[in-house]
Amino acid sequence: DTGVSQDPRHKITKRGQNVTFRCDPISEHNRLYWYRQTLGQGPEFLTYFQNEAQLEKSRLLSDRFSAERPKGSFSTLEIQRTEQGDSAMYLCASSSQGLAGGGPKNIQYFGAGTRLSVL
Amino acid sequence: GQNIDQPTEMTATEGAIVQINCTYQTSGFNGLFWYQQHAGEAPTFLSYNVLDGLEEKGRFSSFLSRSKGYSYLLLKELQMKDSASYLCAVTNTNAGKSTFGDGTTLTVKP
Repeated sequence: DTGVSQDPRHKITKRGQNVTFRCDPISEHNRLYWYRQTLGQGPEFLTYFQNEAQLEKSRLLSDRFSAERPKGSFSTLEIQRTEQGDSAMYLCASSSQGLAGGGPKNIQYFGAGTRLSVL
Repeated sequence: GQNIDQPTEMTATEGAIVQINCTYQTSGFNGLFWYQQHAGEAPTFLSYNVLDGLEEKGRFSSFLSRSKGYSYLLLKELQMKDSASYLCAVTNTNAGKSTFGDGTTLTVKP
């Protein structure tokens, strides 16, 4: 078990550019979550997938944000036309639904995050 | 909606015991989590309560009262490495969305 991995770890971009982040969850986990965290605050929920289905999406998420998990394994988060307010740490987490071989139910394990800076 | 409240900062002495409180108001509940987060790092799982009562795990214990919308994390025999932010999070009914508090920054002094 290699844990949740995220790529890249850091991304610096200019305002108006598009960026894409990748998350590889723990292999036995069927649930995958994206969060955003700014300094001094807790992680803010963005969206979550169960297998390949996107089951919930925050109302705070603008149309510039889109996430996919096409084969129920890795996921990508894309931000179009980035704004300075998008600067944050983007965290991915995965969890098991409690099915056989998936490990303890509902505990979310986080990746190291992708730190985005929009200039 | 969901609202999670926890103190912003706490200070304690090495070797002592500290209790970090968390109160929540949620539209659904399927469990309460505590995470530890060191500066610049990802949150790491500490404990999970879904039923009322105390869960003990080594130096860390967590308590839940669903009727009061209240939890606490108890850290015993504090060590310097326990200096970190402690996040309280509540998961909604279908165990999907989790709402996090803004964290309690604990400073352990010699």
